[in-house]
Amino acid sequence: EVQLVESGGGLVQPGGSLRLSCGASGFMFSNYWMSWVRQAPGKGLEWVANINEDGSATYYVDSVKGRFTISRDNAKNSLHLQMNSLRGEDTAVYYCTRGTIGTPGTDYWGQGTLVTVSS
Amino acid sequence: QTVVTQEPSLTVSPGETVTLTCTSSTGEVTSGYFANWFQQKPGQAPRALIYGTNIKHPWTPARFSGSLLGDKAALTLSGVQPEDEADYYCLLHSGGVQVFGGGTKLTVL
Repeated sequence: EVQLVESGGGLVQPGGSLRLSCGASGFMFSNYWMSWVRQAPGKGLEWVANINEDGSATYYVDSVKGRFTISRDNAKNSLHLQMNSLRGEDTAVYYCTRGTIGTPGTDYWGQGTLVTVSS
Repeated sequence: QTVVTQEPSLTVSPGETVTLTCTSSTGEVTSGYFANWFQQKPGQAPRALIYGTNIKHPWTPARFSGSLLGDKAALTLSGVQPEDEADYYCLLHSGGVQVFGGGTKLTVL
């Protein structure tokens, strides 16, 4: 069974940093693109970043470029999102998602971890 | 970046057919955008329904189908069920970047 379990969320002050993690199990992690998607309270979904199978290629939404870094550890089946210079508008539930193989897409989602940026 | 637009809300009666659409600010949505569709119910994580414009996941109910309609991507629900009441999001791929639509709130009355 495919499982994605996010951790690392919490309350952080504006300008602060937080590192999210996603533990993957039930599939060959190193064969899949992975992504982070977020959802602000009461709002829609926003794609944040993704990373290819070996970590050599990463992409970001404009609003987080230069502040967030996506990375992965294939030996530990884990995905990470380092978030620096956090702003109030970064407050959201952050989901870890798995890409499909072959045709671009997303299949599995974690349950999410809440990040609250507030003083 | 690209802005993706969906109907904010739609209302349908059980058993009817409804089509949700997804447009891109950059122009026609083609198969090269590999449109994805997701369903989200209150308090739950999203669930994937369609990828690659019209490919269903193993768990996707048969009444859901994806397509291209004119210059848009579309999700059609044939024979809507009460449990289909939810928010629906499309996702378009452009190179390595992905963009979600604003979502459609589907009400089944």
